[in-house]
Amino acid sequence: IVMTQTPLSSPVTLGQPASISCRSSQSLVNSDGNTYLSWLQQRPGQPPRLLIYQISNRFSGVPDRFSGSGAGTDFTLKISRVEAEDVGVYYCMQATQFRHGPTFGQGTKVEIK
Amino acid sequence: EVQLVESGGGLVQPGGSLRLSCAASGFTLSGHTMNWVRQAPGKGLEWVSSISSSSDTIYYADSVRGRFTISRDNAKNSLYLQMNSLRDEDTAVYYCARGYMDFVYWGQGTLVTVSS
Repeated sequence: IVMTQTPLSSPVTLGQPASISCRSSQSLVNSDGNTYLSWLQQRPGQPPRLLIYQISNRFSGVPDRFSGSGAGTDFTLKISRVEAEDVGVYYCMQATQFRHGPTFGQGTKVEIK
Repeated sequence: EVQLVESGGGLVQPGGSLRLSCAASGFTLSGHTMNWVRQAPGKGLEWVSSISSSSDTIYYADSVRGRFTISRDNAKNSLYLQMNSLRDEDTAVYYCARGYMDFVYWGQGTLVTVSS
């Protein structure tokens, strides 16, 4: 499954919203009825960190300015008001066909204007 | 606190071997699927391999199948990646990550450089 993110770069003004789109080459609905689409954040020089799992569930400790939505093949990560600590690269990841290997989007770089 | 600490990276010549380790703490390794994911310098994330909690199910990316072997020792709370026949394109930071379907926790990574 190929994951395509847009945009690849997103300059944002502090306090303004940001939105990242992720499209999969086929439906991510698993045979168990769940959709295994997650969002990861990678700050500069840091390992990836789970933000959102199964489309819209925020992981423990993730600020509520982050939200995920979507279904089937189209998904979106939104940051309601960008803060300085949100700078980094954001990846979508699918694991619906786990036996064939999870795949990641190319990454979207969020930076401050 | 959940912690994953990778080790074993370094500089190796093409065709050489390395064994990476991932030490887990703050949770019981035996209850979780574990994974290796790598990131080439300046590039995105690439899944490498996964192993189920009891080691009965193992998956590899096509790019490493036949050269890399994933294993675990639940008694030692450790995950391993034996890498043989290394190539230039295997140069990357290698992360271990916990989870099946959702990669919930990630280590800090260990750098593997393949170069003559």
